[in-house]
Amino acid sequence: AQTVTQSQPEMSVQEAETVTLSCTYDTSESNYYLFWYKQPPSRQMILVIRQEAYKQQNATENRFSVNFQKAAKSFSLKISDSQLGDTAMYFCAFKADFGNQFYFGTGTSLTVIP
Amino acid sequence: DAGVIQSPRHEVTEMGQEVTLRCKPISGHDYLFWYRQTMMRGLELLIYFNNNVPIDDSGMPEDRFSAKMPNASFSTLKIQPSEPRDSAVYFCASSLSVNRNYGYTFGSGTRLTVV
Repeated sequence: AQTVTQSQPEMSVQEAETVTLSCTYDTSESNYYLFWYKQPPSRQMILVIRQEAYKQQNATENRFSVNFQKAAKSFSLKISDSQLGDTAMYFCAFKADFGNQFYFGTGTSLTVIP
Repeated sequence: DAGVIQSPRHEVTEMGQEVTLRCKPISGHDYLFWYRQTMMRGLELLIYFNNNVPIDDSGMPEDRFSAKMPNASFSTLKIQPSEPRDSAVYFCASSLSVNRNYGYTFGSGTRLTVV
């Protein structure tokens, strides 16, 4: 079974600063995908970034980037130049290559302070 | 594309009543998932369908819960009878099989409150 752990229930960051959200996972799979989803107060789950486990290069999407450490089974999300609109719950998720189910962490509530 | 559409957005019901949650997946998507989100347990997969057929319902908490997908454009999640511990946000998500490693598209969820 796969497990995803987010050890930071709440975090805050000053506007324009950088923040890193942590995620670790446990799996015996060799091929898999990792995701970060954002859930703002509107409740909509929005895909932020995706990483393929067989790619060593860390994924980047504008101000969002990941630090993927496969051996350590770590997948952190870095948000640069934080904006007020980044205030949301952030969920880390795992999906095995040949599976259909996503496994989610318990989330980190991020508040961007003006 | 209108995205995944869920209705109602909010539902308040009394204990013992039947509740039906609805979902319209993105046109052409062949996978549909129902998740439940609570503070205590986070996001839990309840059931998922492929081409309208239930594939894995091991996450359905008990017999009071049932889900159907009569066609490719509509699914329901029914709770009968409802209990206060069923209070949660219920999400529907869909994906296209060839793109399923690219993430789901979620609906906006239904917040269910059972009093």
